[in-house]
Amino acid sequence: NAGVMQNPRHLVRRRGQEARLRCSPMKGHSHVYWYRQLPEEGLKFMVYLQKENIIDESGMPKERFSAEFPKEGPSILRIQQVVRGDSAAYFCASSPFGQGKDTQYFGPGTRLTVL
Amino acid sequence: ILNVEQSPQSLHVQEGDSTNFTCSFPSSNFYALHWYRWETAKSPEALFVMTLNGDEKKKGRISATLNTKEGYSYLYIKGSQPEDSATYLCASGNRDDKIIFGKGTRLHILP
Repeated sequence: NAGVMQNPRHLVRRRGQEARLRCSPMKGHSHVYWYRQLPEEGLKFMVYLQKENIIDESGMPKERFSAEFPKEGPSILRIQQVVRGDSAAYFCASSPFGQGKDTQYFGPGTRLTVL
Repeated sequence: ILNVEQSPQSLHVQEGDSTNFTCSFPSSNFYALHWYRWETAKSPEALFVMTLNGDEKKKGRISATLNTKEGYSYLYIKGSQPEDSATYLCASGNRDDKIIFGKGTRLHILP
């Protein structure tokens, strides 16, 4: 049973370009969470999605960031017109039921570097 | 607004010594408390999930306790080993499906 997959593992973008980060949850998991880790900081919640639904996006910046989890395929975190401050590690996690009791299983992360 | 606090932020412990650190969380609307272990260059891995006041979980030399009335959890490591060096994250889940992570305690085991 494969774990949570994220790709790419490393992504380099120039300012103004778009970044697309992909996350495939564990088999049987229909709840996906995205987190950002800025240098020297902990995990910051960004968004919680179920298939075709955004449940909680209270941690998403208001502009340039969007996320989706389509019926088929991976969840995508999209950052438009990237700036240097977007450089961070982005982690995806999945869980089977999505309740506060659920353990989240984390992917290896995507390290985004904006030049 | 949930606020999960962990202390200390960083900790250096001599190999063989035992140690513990704290996670505090709002006790209202509480549902579950999670501990994760996060090694450098890897992703967080679940250690424990606890829901009931007085819960105590153990995995090898690592154990955790939970006090939901006063809103804190302790993580204990007995006889620290070099492989215990990691960041230990605490996360509180509430009944509205929100999970908030603390900033973690960075544990360094000194040989």
